[in-house]
Amino acid sequence: DVVMTQSPLSLPVTLGQPASISCRSSQSLVHSDGNTYLNWFQQRPGQSPRRLIYKVSNRDSGVPDRFSGSESGTDFTLKISRVEAEDVGVYYCMQGTHWPPTFGGGTKVEIK
Amino acid sequence: EVQLVESGGGLVQPGGSLRLSCAASGFTFSSYEMNWVRQAPGKGLEWVSYIDSSGTTIYYVDSVKGRFTISRDNAKNSLYLQMNSLRAEDTAVYYCARNPLLEHDYFDYWGQGTLVTVSS
Repeated sequence: DVVMTQSPLSLPVTLGQPASISCRSSQSLVHSDGNTYLNWFQQRPGQSPRRLIYKVSNRDSGVPDRFSGSESGTDFTLKISRVEAEDVGVYYCMQGTHWPPTFGGGTKVEIK
Repeated sequence: EVQLVESGGGLVQPGGSLRLSCAASGFTFSSYEMNWVRQAPGKGLEWVSYIDSSGTTIYYVDSVKGRFTISRDNAKNSLYLQMNSLRAEDTAVYYCARNPLLEHDYFDYWGQGTLVTVSS
């Protein structure tokens, strides 16, 4: 199975400042159809996961534009341009290119 | 509005059984692939099982093969997970999650989850 490795485990951030979460895959996530199926999810405390980003950089409906995704080879990044209080929670990357779908271990974002 | 509502969780002894249900609304359930994803207490997310829109293609994570059975009733807009021979390590919140219609895309909507606790 494809291993997804996230860093850091915990990310203390100051309100209004940017934040960046990294995710590395154990193999290329470029599918034979040319797409890269890498998603990002947010799980606020006590809530279900919510998908934020699909195919590396596409925001789901209703997701603020302060969230963005990018890639460089097998390294993927979720960026929050200016952290707000509602962004506290755990963020997971997930690959869907190879079967079975696998998640990273999560990064906990908290306010300093 | 897409809604997924799980039910059926609870406390069960090791070796016991439970049947989880997921009631879907707000979309054409029969057109979508569905999944069960679980989260052990304080841990990350783990995909458990997949079923295609017609119920003919099914997959499981290795750790539950032979013990769990996923099924669906498109007439009732419902997804199920029959869990037998439960173990302590199956303790988790179980979420049903929908796949979007785009191939290789996953988990665009999630339910609120139902807690399964396996303990004597």
